[in-house]
Amino acid sequence: AQKVTQAQTEISVVEKEDVTLDCVYETRDTTYYLFWYKQPPSGELVFLIRRNSFDEQNEISGRYSWNFQKSTSSFNFTITASQVVDSAVYFCALSEALRDDKIIFGKGTRLHILP
Amino acid sequence: DADVTQTPRNRITKTGKRIMLECSQTKGHDRMYWYRQDPGLGLRLIYYSFDVKDINKGEISDGYSVSRQAQAKFSLSLESAIPNQTALYFCATSETQRENFHNEQFFGPGTRLTVL
Repeated sequence: AQKVTQAQTEISVVEKEDVTLDCVYETRDTTYYLFWYKQPPSGELVFLIRRNSFDEQNEISGRYSWNFQKSTSSFNFTITASQVVDSAVYFCALSEALRDDKIIFGKGTRLHILP
Repeated sequence: DADVTQTPRNRITKTGKRIMLECSQTKGHDRMYWYRQDPGLGLRLIYYSFDVKDINKGEISDGYSVSRQAQAKFSLSLESAIPNQTALYFCATSETQRENFHNEQFFGPGTRLTVL
């Protein structure tokens, strides 16, 4: 069965600190996709990244980086030099190739960046 | 203009009432989805549609129904609303999958529904 676990319910850090959001997934498929979405206080869901199971290269986009490790079934998200605007709920999600494009979301991590 | 719109944005209703939430998209995507978000539970899939003639139940479809009136429109109905259907509802769209490539979903702004 597919499952996404975000063990950190809520995190608070002081602005400019680095912070890592953990995501652990379970799947029986060899082909699958992982996603991160951001939900700022305004409520909309913003797509951040997609990674397929065959590409284990880490990804960096500005202050954001993602570490995909199949050996530990993890797809962690790091924000470097955090800013108050990074305050949001972040969702990790999984889509299996054999289950079409249904996405299973984790329960989210609420991130507070304190000024 | 937003690519995925939802109406209404907020709604308060009473137990037993019939409610319809509407979703429209200008992205030209074939696939549309309805999710509900509850605090601490993430997003859960209610129904999804891969084209106008294809409707599928998600993990929590009981108490809900949908209608895909056109490629661009996907409505969610609560036939007889109950308090535990109070939640934030999201519509989403995605392109038809290409082989070995899963597209991201694009979400509407959400509808906050309160059932008293």
